[in-house]
Amino acid sequence: DTAVSQTPKYLVTQMGNDKSIKCEQNLGHDTMYWYKQDSKKFLKIMFSYNNKELIINETVPNRFSPKSPDKAHLNLHINSLELGDSAVYFCASSQPGLNSPLHFGNGTRLTVT
Amino acid sequence: GQQLNQSPQSMFIQEGEDVSMNCTSSSIFNTWLWYKQEPGEGPVLLIALYKAGELTSNGRLTAQFGITRKDSFLNISASIPSDVGIYFCAGQPPRGNTPLVFGKGTRLSVIA
Repeated sequence: DTAVSQTPKYLVTQMGNDKSIKCEQNLGHDTMYWYKQDSKKFLKIMFSYNNKELIINETVPNRFSPKSPDKAHLNLHINSLELGDSAVYFCASSQPGLNSPLHFGNGTRLTVT
Repeated sequence: GQQLNQSPQSMFIQEGEDVSMNCTSSSIFNTWLWYKQEPGEGPVLLIALYKAGELTSNGRLTAQFGITRKDSFLNISASIPSDVGIYFCAGQPPRGNTPLVFGKGTRLSVIA
């Protein structure tokens, strides 16, 4: 199936740990994103990569480090997890260009205890 | 940064009723998008609007790009239980490399 797929779907971990979330898209898109959705369902962009190059970093703590090994993958590594990092993280992709709609993955629910 | 005011925040309607929700902003946007999110899933694109004044339908859904480029509405006609979910508007600012701005969502509940 053509899609944006992210793993794992659920991630429960303790404060202070380091964890990664993986994302892959087979839509042939050049641009990939990470969004954070909080408990009130507000969607906030974190990062955007175009063809493996970082183009948007929306004042995210440097404990969050995205890595794009190729244009079909954008992984998110989080160091020293904090309680406030608990949220649903969505990967998305789009064609390049301002007016291209986003295609979202199904999310990773991160719970930090 | 630019903000979108999406209303209503939530709606409880009877099956068969029509639904209307909208987004407004003090700034202009080049594109308006409407997404639906169901529990445990990511937002899915419903309708994309690219020109001021554009009116587009997708089945029972109709959306319009406001003529001032500062607003958009989404209508759902003859609602059914599977319309339940959170509907998000999103606008693309005209400035280059600026991310999509999302509204805070309208949570729709349909009572059978």
